[in-house]
Amino acid sequence: KAGVTQTPRYLIKTRGQQVTLSCSPISGHRSVSWYQQTPGQGLQFLFEYFSETQRNKGNFPGRFSGRQFSNSRSEMNVSTLELGDSALYLCASSLVEGRNEQFFGPGTRLTVL
Amino acid sequence: EDQVTQSPEALRLQEGESSSLNCSYTVSGLRGLFWYRQDPGKGPEFLFTLYSAGEEKEKERLKATLTKKESFLHITAPKPEDSATYLCAVQGAEAAGNKLTFGGGTRVLVKP
Repeated sequence: KAGVTQTPRYLIKTRGQQVTLSCSPISGHRSVSWYQQTPGQGLQFLFEYFSETQRNKGNFPGRFSGRQFSNSRSEMNVSTLELGDSALYLCASSLVEGRNEQFFGPGTRLTVL
Repeated sequence: EDQVTQSPEALRLQEGESSSLNCSYTVSGLRGLFWYRQDPGKGPEFLFTLYSAGEEKEKERLKATLTKKESFLHITAPKPEDSATYLCAVQGAEAAGNKLTFGGGTRVLVKP
């Protein structure tokens, strides 16, 4: 069974640009969560989508947004990039809500210059 | 707000030298505590889920235990391939959906 896939794996952008990251969950998984990982702050929750609806959001500015499609694939967008947005962005999928393990993808390494 | 603290931040072990990692948590109501392993440049790899105090789970040289305030990850007779960062995360009752709150992790280095 294929795992969570994320594209692209690496990305270099300049300040002020915007970026879109993609995540394909494990087949059959309907919940997709996004996390940001940095050396200083560790892993921080961005948002979660279930059945195309955002049902939880972390403490990030409105520049960070996302969406989920009917096939459960998800995208996140960051507009007006700042240097501090440089991070590993991780996507995790799980079957349904509640007590379920989340399985992470390999991440997208975003560097903002 | 859910909080997770892991200690120590880093651990250097000789091959075969057993040790334990600590994860202290504060949640309004625990729905689940999760352990992950993360290798450099990769996403976290799921290890265990614990749901209630007294629960234990094992996988090869790893054993996770849970109390009402903390969890331990015991590494028995570690090998160099056990070198990684181990992450602890909780799902609290007040967090909607599947939100995980992570600790800072423990970097484990096992030397041959």
